[in-house]
Amino acid sequence: SQQGEEDPQALSIQEGENATMNCSYKTSINNLQWYRQNSGRGLVHLILIRSNEREKHSGRLRVTLDTSKKSSSLLITASRAADTASYFCATGRLTGGGNKLTFGTGTQLKVEL
Amino acid sequence: ETGVTQSPTHLIKTRGQQVTLRCSSQSGHNTVSWYQQALGQGPQFIFQYYREEENGRGNFPPRFSGLQFPNYSSELNVNALELDDSALYLCASSLGLVGTTGEQYFGPGTRLTVT
Repeated sequence: SQQGEEDPQALSIQEGENATMNCSYKTSINNLQWYRQNSGRGLVHLILIRSNEREKHSGRLRVTLDTSKKSSSLLITASRAADTASYFCATGRLTGGGNKLTFGTGTQLKVEL
Repeated sequence: ETGVTQSPTHLIKTRGQQVTLRCSSQSGHNTVSWYQQALGQGPQFIFQYYREEENGRGNFPPRFSGLQFPNYSSELNVNALELDDSALYLCASSLGLVGTTGEQYFGPGTRLTVT
């Protein structure tokens, strides 16, 4: 079963604009990660935020986490055509052997020239 | 490139057959997780192997089984294939150590089609 829901399901913007995607989840987590996927290929890890963090930046990416609302957002600034992809949030629960991820349903982002 | 490889890239099988998918983890990683991604959906956790032992399982029937070898590479076996097993199968490797964040690095996937 899917843990989270991404919103919106699809987003179309012009190059240079910012893109914001939201993720909501249901259970307690140790961390939350965002991944990008191009055309049904493997997932590319973008950023991880721990449950005790509220905001994290990586290049043009900004992630926020609100554990009281069980939600996260991913902001991509100054988008480029190459950012066109599906974006997934995944909540992580740490057990002895590592992180178990539960993925959301994904947001399809299209960046047009 | 994550250093995680999967084989084969594509596979076509007939309903009722058995299939084995393979994954080589990133150097230094001792944990492998397998996911099934149906078209248009997010990946769903099948199971995880840590140091050759199963370390958690998602909501998949017993006909989905796995192995992890001493070099931490892994296999996913699916018996009695059904049409609904058609999907992209992803493996991810990570370093399973207390105190680590458990970031997972994914391979390119195996596209399985069951006819």
